[in-house]
Amino acid sequence: EVQLLESGGGLVQPGGSLRLSCAPSGFTFSSYAMSWVRQAPGKGLEWVSAISGSGDSTYFADSVKGRFTISRDNSKNTLYLQMNSLRAEDTAVYYCAQDLGKHRAWGQGTLVTVSS
Amino acid sequence: DIQMTQSPSSLSASVGDRVTITCRASQGIKNSLAWYQQKPGKAPKLLLSAASRLESGVPSRFSGSGSGTDYTLTISSLQPEDFATYYCQQYYSTPPFTFGQGTKVEIK
Repeated sequence: EVQLLESGGGLVQPGGSLRLSCAPSGFTFSSYAMSWVRQAPGKGLEWVSAISGSGDSTYFADSVKGRFTISRDNSKNTLYLQMNSLRAEDTAVYYCAQDLGKHRAWGQGTLVTVSS
Repeated sequence: DIQMTQSPSSLSASVGDRVTITCRASQGIKNSLAWYQQKPGKAPKLLLSAASRLESGVPSRFSGSGSGTDYTLTISSLQPEDFATYYCQQYYSTPPFTFGQGTKVEIK
């Protein structure tokens, strides 16, 4: 069974940084691109970032470009999202998801709250 | 970037009703469209991919159609467990792979 487990969320002040992690199981991690999708409280889904299986290619939404970095360690079976210069509008539940689109597997989400 | 316009934003329906949700892309996406169902407090669940391909385990009352820029999700006979929010997502070419704004299906 495919499972994705996010961690690293929490409360951070505006301008601060946070690193999210996603630990997958049940599939060959290195064979799949991975994505981060977020959902602000009471709002819709927003695609945030994605990375190829090898890690050579990365993609970002305009709203986070230059502030967020996505990476992966295939030897540790872990996906990361480094979030810098956080803003109030980055407050959301962050999901990691398998593949670039048509995400068949999702994590349970981790809440990031940006507030002073 | 490709924009996705989903309608309606919400609808009220009764058990047994036929429900239709539409998604329009700002450019052709060659059937590279997924539909998701999300219930409160839960992660989204993939229902269909490639516009009309039903995912394993998804009831056959869900169907998808469309081509070019216009796509439709249909629930043929709404069941109590179908009350949820539905999203489309395009995954044509390269990211960003944008979502529609969502359609909340409520009980009439």
